[in-house]
Amino acid sequence: GNSVTQMEGPVTLSEEAFLTINCTYTATGYPSLFWYVQYPGEGLQLLLKATKADDKGSNKGFEATYRKETTSFHLEKGSVQVSDSAVYFCALSPRFSGGYNKLIFGAGTRLAVHP
Amino acid sequence: ETGVTQTPRHLVMGMTNKKSLKCEQHLGHNAMYWYKQSAKKPLELMFVYSLEERVENNSVPSRFSPECPNSSHLFLHLHTLQPEDSALYLCASSQDAGAAFFGQGTRLTVV
Repeated sequence: GNSVTQMEGPVTLSEEAFLTINCTYTATGYPSLFWYVQYPGEGLQLLLKATKADDKGSNKGFEATYRKETTSFHLEKGSVQVSDSAVYFCALSPRFSGGYNKLIFGAGTRLAVHP
Repeated sequence: ETGVTQTPRHLVMGMTNKKSLKCEQHLGHNAMYWYKQSAKKPLELMFVYSLEERVENNSVPSRFSPECPNSSHLFLHLHTLQPEDSALYLCASSQDAGAAFFGQGTRLTVV
């Protein structure tokens, strides 16, 4: 079946530290991969995506590379800010011909950045 | 206007009440979704509408009843809910199998 595993949080960092949040997946075929972010009291915002192997998604200083050989999509940022404090969700959408997506989410990783 | 708008943002209802959640998308997408986010569980896909037709119903109890009158609007009708149904209900839309865009959610509390 399809599943996503994220590192457990919370992840606590000082401002300007390097961030890595690990994400691995299990899927049949080659899914699309996503990172979403949820700020307190809000819905989910799409952060970045990758649709095929070796694609790199990037946005707002965050990056993730679709690694087929390790079935991973780790999120990285070189220098975090206090405003990056949020919950981060890794997700996959299996490839099928239904004409819509079927997102499967990881459990989420809470990030807390301190000044 | 934001891309996906949900109302109300907060809702408290008794177990015998009937209420509805509303979602509107301004992105011209052709698929809409309801997700449930509980404190102790990963996000769960509840329903999918593609081209205004329900295409997924992931074993959701009948006390949740979705409705999609057109491609821009999606409702979730609620009746005789249980306290364990308290959660954040998120609406999303996408164009085909592209990335899903989410609303801000409705925080539901069943008392």
